[in-house]
Amino acid sequence: DAKTTQPPSMDCAEGRAANLPCNHSTISGNEYVYWYRQIHSQGPQYIIHGLKNNETNEMASLIITEDRKSSTLILPHATLRDTAVYYCIVRSRSGGSNYKLTFGKGTLLTVNP
Amino acid sequence: DVKVTQSSRYLVKRTGEKVFLECVQDMDHENMFWYRQDPGLGLRLIYFSYDVKMKEKGDIPEGYSVSREKKERFSLILESASTNQTSMYLCASSFYRQNSGNTIYFGEGSWLTVV
Repeated sequence: DAKTTQPPSMDCAEGRAANLPCNHSTISGNEYVYWYRQIHSQGPQYIIHGLKNNETNEMASLIITEDRKSSTLILPHATLRDTAVYYCIVRSRSGGSNYKLTFGKGTLLTVNP
Repeated sequence: DVKVTQSSRYLVKRTGEKVFLECVQDMDHENMFWYRQDPGLGLRLIYFSYDVKMKEKGDIPEGYSVSREKKERFSLILESASTNQTSMYLCASSFYRQNSGNTIYFGEGSWLTVV
């Protein structure tokens, strides 16, 4: 799986949009971009994933650049409960029992009142 | 919403005890996994299962066994708990869809302390 690079930490004011960047310049054509987050002492929570088109769900939006070498996770109205470590991962789109899930250091997002 | 439920959130066991960690998923997923997560070591796969009664070793299976008698349930067994098995254990499940990839969903985690 391709390597990703994220800033170690970011701050965001409550109610504002949080934009978390991720570089994945070595991504290959068969790899998806996934985002997870992990709140202290809890299991990782799936947020969103995409291949090349922008995606939106009830939690967040994912913007992937046209060359697919970077992406941005957007939390449109951050709340204090969004404080967590956010992980950007690229994974093969293959099926079967593909279990490889390598979390890097991620970005610690702190949402401030 | 996908729900992966782990039976115990916090456990304290004695060295040598047999420990059972239970996990249930409600989305009819084919694949289920057990990981452990330790500071500085990230997520490490212990075992996974791609079908009922089928299991495969992951990266660190020593000291563990698993059971999958029903599709929705995957159990992790520590045959004789040791202090180096103190960790957070994560159950996960996934399914593959041709146009959507292979998304892994995690449970809340079980914090096991072996004394």
